[in-house]
Amino acid sequence: KAGVTQTPRYLIKTRGQQVTLSCSPISGHRSVSWYQQTPGQGLQFLFEYFSETQRNKGNFPGRFSGRQFSNSRSEMNVSTLELGDSALYLCASSLDGRDNNEQFFGPGTRLTVL
Amino acid sequence: AQSVTQLGSHVSVSEGALVLLRCNYSSSVPPYLFWYVQYPNQGLQLLLKYTSAATLVKGINGFEAEFKKSETSFHLTKPSAHMSDAAEYFCAVRGQGTYKYIFGTGTRLKVLA
Repeated sequence: KAGVTQTPRYLIKTRGQQVTLSCSPISGHRSVSWYQQTPGQGLQFLFEYFSETQRNKGNFPGRFSGRQFSNSRSEMNVSTLELGDSALYLCASSLDGRDNNEQFFGPGTRLTVL
Repeated sequence: AQSVTQLGSHVSVSEGALVLLRCNYSSSVPPYLFWYVQYPNQGLQLLLKYTSAATLVKGINGFEAEFKKSETSFHLTKPSAHMSDAAEYFCAVRGQGTYKYIFGTGTRLKVLA
């Protein structure tokens, strides 16, 4: 079974631009979560999608948004980029995000904002 | 509400020595607990998980963790450190009936030759 894939792996943007990151979950997984990882803040939960619906949301500004498609693939969008948005963005999928279903992580997208 | 505390952001051990990484949790409902490892420039990989079937959980790469309800702890151990164990380790908790995973701040393990 293929693992979680994220594209692109690396991205460089300038302040004020917007960016879209993509995540393809493991086949059969319906829950997709996004995390922001930075050296100072660690892993911070952005949001979780299940069956095209946002089921959980972290404490991030509205510039961060996401969506999930019928095939469970997910995208996240960050608008009006700020320097502080530079981070590793991780996507994780699980069967349904319930019970003891663990999350499987992708390799991440490294976003650098200049 | 759930929370996780990892004591020690950096831990150094000698090759062959015992590895002990600490994790304490707070959960209002019986928790599911996980340990993940992250190697440089990679995503997180599951080491082991506690699902209430057994308090001592064995994972990959020789790691194990013991769930102690009275101490609200889920410490990760390995009897003998190997150079390849150098990585960052994350403890995570999720309460039954909830969908949100809460991760600790991570412990970076350094293995000295």
